[in-house]
Amino acid sequence: QSVLTQPPSVSAAPGQKVTISCSGSSSNIGNNYVSWYQLLPGTAPKLLIYDNNKRPSGIPDRFSASKSGTSATLAITGLQTGDEADYYCGTWDSSLSAGGVFGGGTKLTVL
Amino acid sequence: QVQLQESGPGLVAPSQTLSLTCTVSGGSTSSSNYFWSWIRQYPGKGLEWIAYIYYNGNTYYNPSLRSRVTISIDTSKNQFSLRVSSVTAADTAVYYCATVRNYDSSGYPFDYWGQGTLVTVSS
Repeated sequence: QSVLTQPPSVSAAPGQKVTISCSGSSSNIGNNYVSWYQLLPGTAPKLLIYDNNKRPSGIPDRFSASKSGTSATLAITGLQTGDEADYYCGTWDSSLSAGGVFGGGTKLTVL
Repeated sequence: QVQLQESGPGLVAPSQTLSLTCTVSGGSTSSSNYFWSWIRQYPGKGLEWIAYIYYNGNTYYNPSLRSRVTISIDTSKNQFSLRVSSVTAADTAVYYCATVRNYDSSGYPFDYWGQGTLVTVSS
């Protein structure tokens, strides 16, 4: 049972927009910054978003995110078949020393 | 850009100790820019943070695993390692090493990840 709650799956057609939600509590998302990760089989997981809404260098602006209260949302626009992957939200539980927590992951299918 | 590579046995017998090493390139384990971390992904796909270590040797563990886990760092070899004792089938997972960014960020994201290594606990 993951600390953060994500929908198991989402789907949309190429070119469309999809959003993935991530729900937590005041001890994690409510008081910490959220990151989002993309996991593709056989490859190193990739940091997509950090500090709630910042993109690392090289991540296209099709990927965006926001946070409100104890929830966060990842949005992907202009969907491509290459976006088909598992997406995870993550943050820290009250503090860095308390440890990292993740969502259960959301499988994105590009129809 | 930091690159990470996990290494270690893919099969561990129950009750034995799982040992993994992460070799770092493109960065230094002596740097204060990162914490060095281990994360695992269960077959059911959930991610679990295991531990992290700082260049000065300070360690932090997942409370649920603290009694069985040891993380260590060897700055001379630019490596850090994980040991999990008394393993059971529940420890079967893909194990990732990752960096935790300690600069230009307020949220300490897991910045760079290795490709992961599958460890199966079975006799």
